[in-house]
Amino acid sequence: GQQLNQSPQSMFIQEGEDVSMNCTSSSIFNTWLWYKQDPGEGPVLLIALYKAGELTSNGRLTAQFGITRKDSFLNISASIPSDVGIYFCAGQNSGGYQKVTFGIGTKLQVIP
Amino acid sequence: DTGVSQDPRHKITKRGQNVTFRCDPISEHNRLYWYRQTLGQGPEFLTYFQNEAQLEKSRLLSDRFSAERPKGSFSTLEIQRTEQGDSAMYLCASREGNSPLHFGNGTRLTVT
Repeated sequence: GQQLNQSPQSMFIQEGEDVSMNCTSSSIFNTWLWYKQDPGEGPVLLIALYKAGELTSNGRLTAQFGITRKDSFLNISASIPSDVGIYFCAGQNSGGYQKVTFGIGTKLQVIP
Repeated sequence: DTGVSQDPRHKITKRGQNVTFRCDPISEHNRLYWYRQTLGQGPEFLTYFQNEAQLEKSRLLSDRFSAERPKGSFSTLEIQRTEQGDSAMYLCASREGNSPLHFGNGTRLTVT
């Protein structure tokens, strides 16, 4: 099935550093979502974006809905060890059954 | 809100056996989705229910797979004559209307 292009696929960073990751699609979406998944658990919603150009924050996390509606970005500031996990972007369209399409994930490792 | 509940968390079965998984969505959510996730990939859409009606099925859902949501509450996903390629994490998610998906912690299936 279709998956979104997410980069980088993995990254190692020092605790305290800022992190950026992005997601691109060949299709436009009306909603962009960012999830975090810890080992053995389901994805947990971090941020939802509903409008092109929208910039939304959730604590140290900031995400943006790209103007073209084909991309989105997630930034994490001042990383901490519990930020470790896999971050997935997801795109959703209105109408129909509103399938949510996921990226392949960015695996984040934080070095204390 | 007790979250989306999935049972069992882990299932090991021999090739050729049938398995059934259960999902209890968040109680007020009318939409229920099944996704499959393999190692290193994002979740891939399998099927969608609105109340008790199954409205969409992915091409990933072969004839050996069947899903039901008989009373519009809990759902079951059955895999008949399991194959090694069926080994994956099976995730259930629910939502009300257009709200973001809320995931359960998944059932990890291992086919030996």
